Amino acid sequence: AQSVTQLDSHVSVSEGTPVLLRCNYSSSYSPSLFWYVQHPNKGLQLLLKYTSAATLVKGINGFEAEFKKSETSFHLTKPSAHMSDAAEYFCVVSLYSGAGSYQLTFGKGTKLSVIP
Amino acid sequence: DAGVTQSPTHLIKTRGQHVTLRCSPISGHKSVSWYQQVLGQGPQFIFQYYEKEERGRGNFPDRFSARQFPNYSSELNVNALLLGDSALYLCASSYDRGLQPQHFGDGTRLSIL
Repeated sequence: AQSVTQLDSHVSVSEGTPVLLRCNYSSSYSPSLFWYVQHPNKGLQLLLKYTSAATLVKGINGFEAEFKKSETSFHLTKPSAHMSDAAEYFCVVSLYSGAGSYQLTFGKGTKLSVIP
Repeated sequence: DAGVTQSPTHLIKTRGQHVTLRCSPISGHKSVSWYQQVLGQGPQFIFQYYEKEERGRGNFPDRFSARQFPNYSSELNVNALLLGDSALYLCASSYDRGLQPQHFGDGTRLSIL
């Protein structure tokens, strides 16, 4: 079965410093992986996706993630945190559910706090 | 273009009642999925509909049901509400049922008293 594990429930960084949000996955084959962000009282916004093309994936708002098969990781990074980055971040794997359909399986989330 | 829209935004019900939540997908999207997000947790998959047929179902009891209409909008119905059904219900749409990214609405916050 495919799943994702977000290694930190809460990460706190100072504005202008790098962000690292960690995610490990388990899959019997090459997975499709995503990072979504959720601001308070809002739905989820897609940051980036990996679907077996380039291993380094660039997303919106300066975020990027690197797929490392040897480490079964898909960590999210950003060189310099901004106050507007404070939100909940979800690592997500796409699971084949049959009949040509896929469902998303979410990690438990990492809450990012940015200190001024 | 409008994004995924959900209604209502907030809803308060009591135990034993039933509820209907509505979702309009992005124009041109044919697949709609429903997720339940309990406070402090990641969303959990409930249903996927594509071309008006159920294509996937998560581990939820039969009290949960859904349907998709010819215009691709969708309804999620929950019967015999329990306190544990209190959650944010999210709808997501995608062009088809494959690996295209899903686009989420802002959700319906359901509170059960």
